[in-house]
Amino acid sequence: EIVLTQSPGTLSLSPGERGTLSCRASQSVTSNYLAWFQVKPGQAPRLLIYGASNRATGIPDRFSGSGSGTDFTLTISRLEPEDFAVYYCLQYGSSPPYTFGQGTKLEIK
Amino acid sequence: QVQLQESGPGLVKPSETLSLTCAVSGYSISSGYYWGWMRQTPGKGLEWIGSIHHSGTTYYNPSLKSRVTVSVDTSKNQFSLKLNSVTAADTAVYYCARSVAYWGQGTLVTVSS
Repeated sequence: EIVLTQSPGTLSLSPGERGTLSCRASQSVTSNYLAWFQVKPGQAPRLLIYGASNRATGIPDRFSGSGSGTDFTLTISRLEPEDFAVYYCLQYGSSPPYTFGQGTKLEIK
Repeated sequence: QVQLQESGPGLVKPSETLSLTCAVSGYSISSGYYWGWMRQTPGKGLEWIGSIHHSGTTYYNPSLKSRVTVSVDTSKNQFSLKLNSVTAADTAVYYCARSVAYWGQGTLVTVSS
């Protein structure tokens, strides 16, 4: 079972700043099947990035994903007020099982 | 546009079975993809519960495997989750999803007597 470790646990930034979130896997993620989600209270998770670096439909280009193998990064180039939320990475392979990271809370400084 | 909608009881008693159904529209389950269940527990993160391939093959989270069943009804274009012997720790918002891209809005299930 692949274990995903996200860092930091909480990231305090101001609107307009750049946010960098990390997701490290305990073993190589098959074909970079790594996704990033944004979660806000009372809302379903929103897919941001799939395949490590592909933006999902309708996602602003300030969100970008990078990385391969065991180290992945979600970058938000210039934080908007609506970007403050909890972010999760997910490895989904070519088939289940899937595993989520424990999440990074992005809060307003 | 693919849409998924969860339904089922919002309150389940401890030791009983949690049963949820996910109705799919805009895509035929029998055409492909993995169809699965996730949950978000209060104060904790997201957890994958289990998935079923359109062929019927099932996959379960090892930590829940002994209590979980995911099944599909292609005639109704829906799939279901059963989680037995529930405890308060199973109180969560449950989501159904097609692979990772399309999710339902979620349904809160509370385990309490």
